[in-house]
Amino acid sequence: DADVTQTPRNRITKTGKRIMLECSQTKGHDRMYWYRQDPGLGLRLIYYSFDVKDINKGEISDGYSVSRQAQAKFSLSLESAIPNQTALYFCATSSTPGTGDATEAFFGQGTRLTVV
Amino acid sequence: AQKITQTQPGMFVQEKEAVTLDCTYDTSDQSYGLFWYKQPSSGEMIFLIYQGSYDEQNATEGRYSLNFQKARKSANLVISASQLGDSAMYFCAMRVVVERWYSGGGADGLTFGKGTHLIIQP
Repeated sequence: DADVTQTPRNRITKTGKRIMLECSQTKGHDRMYWYRQDPGLGLRLIYYSFDVKDINKGEISDGYSVSRQAQAKFSLSLESAIPNQTALYFCATSSTPGTGDATEAFFGQGTRLTVV
Repeated sequence: AQKITQTQPGMFVQEKEAVTLDCTYDTSDQSYGLFWYKQPSSGEMIFLIYQGSYDEQNATEGRYSLNFQKARKSANLVISASQLGDSAMYFCAMRVVVERWYSGGGADGLTFGKGTHLIIQP
């Protein structure tokens, strides 16, 4: 099984609908992130979480909300989806700097979301 | 704020040749990490190599090496003996972590460049 699992992998939804993307990890990391990838723009940070009680906005948080239900689970919600939220969404985890032996971010497989 | 610039939108390289992918960065922080990720057409993000800002030696991982020139703020990826399977998007990224130990929280996350689409030709 993958270390970082995203569900669903693909989703088509209608404008105005609420949608939740889920992420779970088995790495035991405290830190989790949600990124969005648009063609030609690379990945941009939406939200990040230091731990269950500490959630922070990233570069492009407008129109999104998140919930950290447990250390292993971090969900991203679009309260009222709009077409320009069509993108590839990635969840990622990483260790707290100074702990563990890796500083890289481990990414999920991505969720391809289309809003029509 | 951090910024990553990748100036090569696309590159064509002959198989078995070495290739250098350019990356420059901008930050006012002294402590940071630089990463390269590979994204094949299937979409997953694959970690390739990491360089810490205080590392004196250039990082190497198999056929990948990172040419770190701190004064020039560049972190170019070098792939030796390219293979057809190296065809993919390549992203340079930076991580700056700010810890607020007394109040909690801080700042974290990766800042990505726009990527370079590398195509290896037989």
